[in-house]
Amino acid sequence: QSALTQPRSVSGSPGQSVTISCTGTSSDVGGYNYVSWYQQHPGKAPKLMIYDVSKRPSGVPDRFSGSKSGNTASLTISGLQAEDEADYYCCSYAGSYWVFGGGTKLTVL
Amino acid sequence: EVQLVESGGGLVQPGGSLRLSCAASGFTFSSYWMSWVRQAPGKGLEWVANIKQDGSEKYYVDSVKGRFTISRDNAKNSLYLQMNSLRAEDTAVYYCARQYEANFDYWGQGTLVTVSS
Repeated sequence: QSALTQPRSVSGSPGQSVTISCTGTSSDVGGYNYVSWYQQHPGKAPKLMIYDVSKRPSGVPDRFSGSKSGNTASLTISGLQAEDEADYYCCSYAGSYWVFGGGTKLTVL
Repeated sequence: EVQLVESGGGLVQPGGSLRLSCAASGFTFSSYWMSWVRQAPGKGLEWVANIKQDGSEKYYVDSVKGRFTISRDNAKNSLYLQMNSLRAEDTAVYYCARQYEANFDYWGQGTLVTVSS
């Protein structure tokens, strides 16, 4: 039950695009199309942004998109806005349990 | 509106016990798997346990097996986490989360558990 690997931090200027990677194994990310991404602002609860690799819940801007290739999933945020500054966590189903990534701090410069 | 409200956190000594509760409203509680997810101070998220709609299936992360028990009362729209033999490394904010298929679509605000002497 090892954590998924994410970069500790990424940054971008308003209007730019950033991509956050999430690397697992064939037992989690690579084995299931059940990767989700969560946004967490300081002191707040996580919020679901992407589920089933690339689906967006209603209310989440289409600036947020997800994809997967092999054992690595990615979250791309286009047209960066100041309110996107937050921590982002990937998560994968791993067959009877779930594993999260260590989190990536997104800074909007 | 979906609401999940956790309670029961606090300061407990190592080896002690605590029972967390999560009151659900705004949806048909008995129709969803439910999970507990925790976050140690300044750290990432960790899935802890989940329970099927009727309570017949329960799963745990290895680090809490044999010490934590998840349960639910559908008549009271409530989820519980009984935590025994608590350790310092169990210190975290504990979130209650609704499961939608294999994802966590709604989260409570969390309750802080501190294990310290």
